[in-house]
Amino acid sequence: NAGVTQTPKFRILKIGQSMTLQCTQDMNHNYMYWYRQDPGMGLKLIYYSVGAGITDKGEVPNGYNVSRSTTEDFPLRLELAAPSQTSVYFCASTERVQDEQYFGPGTRLTVT
Amino acid sequence: KQEVTQIPAALSVPEGENLVLNCSFTDSAIYNLQWFRQDPGKGLTSLLLIQSSQREQTSGRLNASLDKSSGRSTLYIAASQPGDSATYLCAVILTGGGNKLTFGTGTQLKVEL
Repeated sequence: NAGVTQTPKFRILKIGQSMTLQCTQDMNHNYMYWYRQDPGMGLKLIYYSVGAGITDKGEVPNGYNVSRSTTEDFPLRLELAAPSQTSVYFCASTERVQDEQYFGPGTRLTVT
Repeated sequence: KQEVTQIPAALSVPEGENLVLNCSFTDSAIYNLQWFRQDPGKGLTSLLLIQSSQREQTSGRLNASLDKSSGRSTLYIAASQPGDSATYLCAVILTGGGNKLTFGTGTQLKVEL
């Protein structure tokens, strides 16, 4: 059982480039989330989804976009990368709001 | 806006010591509270989940308590080991809060031989 997987593990982008961070879960969870973690800080929610076709903004959505065409996949798109988007990105999923969230291993992104 | 605070920010203890990590939150209307462990450069591992109706949860040497009325949770680690060294994060979900976890900034624990 793979759980939540994320690709790539590491990426360096130049300012203004775009990329998509991939997230897949094999637990048939309805809820999926994208967080970013800056050094010495807690995690902040970027976007979340309560099911296929439904997404909503979190605390820090600017500069990002998401889609949820299937239950399994929840990609995060960065358009026009900026140095402020240098961070570690985590994807998570859960079956119901009251259940524990399961996290992927993260993607470490550097924008230079 | 929910704010979650963890004290202390860092803690160093000798092996074998029992220790307590603290988590406080400002809005008591929560679904649940979750404790996570994060090793350097790694993702988050869920340790314990306490529902709002529960007072505590136990898993092995770990015991987490929840006092919703005072906005506090504690994570008790018994007989600490060097392998317990990691950052411990607590997070809460508000009822009616759009299904969002709000995280504390964590306590960095080092257990020394």
